[in-house]
Amino acid sequence: NAGVTQTPKFRVLKTGQSMTLLCAQDMNHEYMYWYRQDPGMGLRLIHYSVGEGTTAKGEVPDGYNVSRLKKQNFLLGLESAAPSQTSVYFCASSSPGGPNEQFFGPGTRLTVL
Amino acid sequence: AQSVTQLDSHVSVSEGTPVLLRCNYSSSYSPSLFWYVQHPNKGLQLLLKYTSAATLVKGINGFEAEFKKSETSFHLTKPSAHMSDAAEYFCVVTGKGNAGGTSYGKLTFGQGTILTVHP
Repeated sequence: NAGVTQTPKFRVLKTGQSMTLLCAQDMNHEYMYWYRQDPGMGLRLIHYSVGEGTTAKGEVPDGYNVSRLKKQNFLLGLESAAPSQTSVYFCASSSPGGPNEQFFGPGTRLTVL
Repeated sequence: AQSVTQLDSHVSVSEGTPVLLRCNYSSSYSPSLFWYVQHPNKGLQLLLKYTSAATLVKGINGFEAEFKKSETSFHLTKPSAHMSDAAEYFCVVTGKGNAGGTSYGKLTFGQGTILTVHP
């Protein structure tokens, strides 16, 4: 099993450009999450999904959109990138309910110039 | 509401000496608590978790943590540090978020503690 994978691993954008980050999991998990990690701030939840076709806002959703068209995939979109979105982005997945362990992907390092 | 405070942003130890990483939490519910480890340029890996069973929890790589409700603490310890333990460690409290009536495992992360191990 690959677990949770993320594409791409690194990306550099110019201000105003758009991009999509892809997360895929092969553990048949219902729940999926997108976090951003910034120095000294731990991980903060951007958006999450409790099932195919459903999404919800987390702590820091502004400037991001998500889609969960297939159970195994969770996409994070930046429509118009800003330097404040320079960060490391992590995707995670878990079984339903709580408190269940979340399994994390390796991360995507995004720089917005 | 829930929150986590990791009391040290950096901890430095010598190889072979004990490790103590401190974590205090606040939660409206009976919490579940995790410790995750992140090695440089890697994702997060679960070290151990407390889910209201035994208060002393053993994890991978010789780490353990003790849940102390009276002190609202969940400190991570290891008797003897190894060079490979050098990483960033996150204390995490879980609660019940709500999404349209469906509860989910909302994680709240501490700010992280960077552990340095000297030869």
